[in-house]
Amino acid sequence: DQQVKQNSPSLSVQEGRISILNCDYTNSMFDYFLWYKKYPAEGPTFLISISSIKDKNEDGRFTVFLNKSAKHLSLHIVPSQPGDSAVYFCAASAEGAQKLVFGQGTRLTINP
Amino acid sequence: NAGVMQNPRHLVRRRGQEARLRCSPMKGHSHVYWYRQLPEEGLKFMVYLQKENIIDESGMPKERFSAEFPKEGPSILRIQQVVRGDSAAYFCASSPGAGGYYEQYFGPGTRLTVT
Repeated sequence: DQQVKQNSPSLSVQEGRISILNCDYTNSMFDYFLWYKKYPAEGPTFLISISSIKDKNEDGRFTVFLNKSAKHLSLHIVPSQPGDSAVYFCAASAEGAQKLVFGQGTRLTINP
Repeated sequence: NAGVMQNPRHLVRRRGQEARLRCSPMKGHSHVYWYRQLPEEGLKFMVYLQKENIIDESGMPKERFSAEFPKEGPSILRIQQVVRGDSAAYFCASSPGAGGYYEQYFGPGTRLTVT
């Protein structure tokens, strides 16, 4: 039962352009969403989060959009840089349940 | 400010042996979470602990796995009588609180290989 889905296993983007990573969820109890970035042989690094009372959160080059009616969120990275090449995971949690439910990840490659 | 520490980083065990994975949370964090990542998959929640208490172990296999977070010292994830299917990366995370919205910060992971 995959409650959080990232349907694109990989994405390739030109340096300087916008990267858009997508995530869908099925559990309507989720009210907090996070994006993590992961390099090989390292732990996930927190990037940005959004609560369900908002539809957008921005931090530097990273913006997360939440569409509650569609149960969809996306991460925009602009401009994309070579150091952004990594696996990106979206995660969700429900109020009162501290555990995070992760998607399968999307491998982002930024081409010079 | 040191991040989440995990040791060992790599652990090799033969089938039937015990594996002990340690996690020290970030300074000031009293909430610890363990996740497991199988190859080519996302992270799966195992257990959530506070000092001396297991709060949620809904993701923990019923047999062979146990976790603790004592009053003093690191959190320990113990796997008894390991099998090949236990081979995975085990990540620990910590957060400063519960209730409301808190990011979880992850350690570098322990990669367990069962031969």
